[in-house]
Amino acid sequence: DAGVIQSPRHEVTEMGQEVTLRCKPISGHNSLFWYRQTMMRGLELLIYFNNNVPIDDSGMPEDRFSAKMPNASFSTLKIQPSEPRDSAVYFCASSSSGAQYFGPGTRLLVL
Amino acid sequence: KQEVTQIPAALSVPEGENLVLNCSFTDSAIYNLQWFRQDPGKGLTSLLLIQSSQREQTSGRLNASLDKSSGRSTLYIAASQPGDSATYLCAVISETSGSRLTFGEGTQLTVNP
Repeated sequence: DAGVIQSPRHEVTEMGQEVTLRCKPISGHNSLFWYRQTMMRGLELLIYFNNNVPIDDSGMPEDRFSAKMPNASFSTLKIQPSEPRDSAVYFCASSSSGAQYFGPGTRLLVL
Repeated sequence: KQEVTQIPAALSVPEGENLVLNCSFTDSAIYNLQWFRQDPGKGLTSLLLIQSSQREQTSGRLNASLDKSSGRSTLYIAASQPGDSATYLCAVISETSGSRLTFGEGTQLTVNP
């Protein structure tokens, strides 16, 4: 298996622009997680899905952030409008009721 | 609220040394505990998963133990190598948190040749 796939790997954008991050979980995994990592706050869970249904979105910072999982093999995290404080590494992870496996991350820089 | 602490924050050892990384958590009601490594600029690599009913797990030179009642876990690395240099993260899933992982801040390990 190729593992969790994320795209893009790097994204540089200007404040106010829309950013869409994409994730393909490991085939057969029924849970998908979006995390954000910064030096100041470490790793934070933003939202997770079970069987494509959002279960806990309490970590989503504000209404500018939204996540979808239209099917078992694809999820998006969207930021609109983006702000400089959103600059971070965004990780997607998946699991099948056990260990969580992380993707390589998307490094986002908002200027 | 679950809190995870890792000690030490940083560790530097000569190659070949055996070492122990420590992790503690405040709420012992957990489903499992997972150890990860993270290389600079990279994602997290899962090393070991210990279910709450287990006492330890081994993979190659790595051995992780779990004492759920005291809220502690250790990661033992035998015969350390420069390639082991990375940040090691401990994370738990609490019984009250669904599938949410709570992470420690990590131990930054440097193994000197």
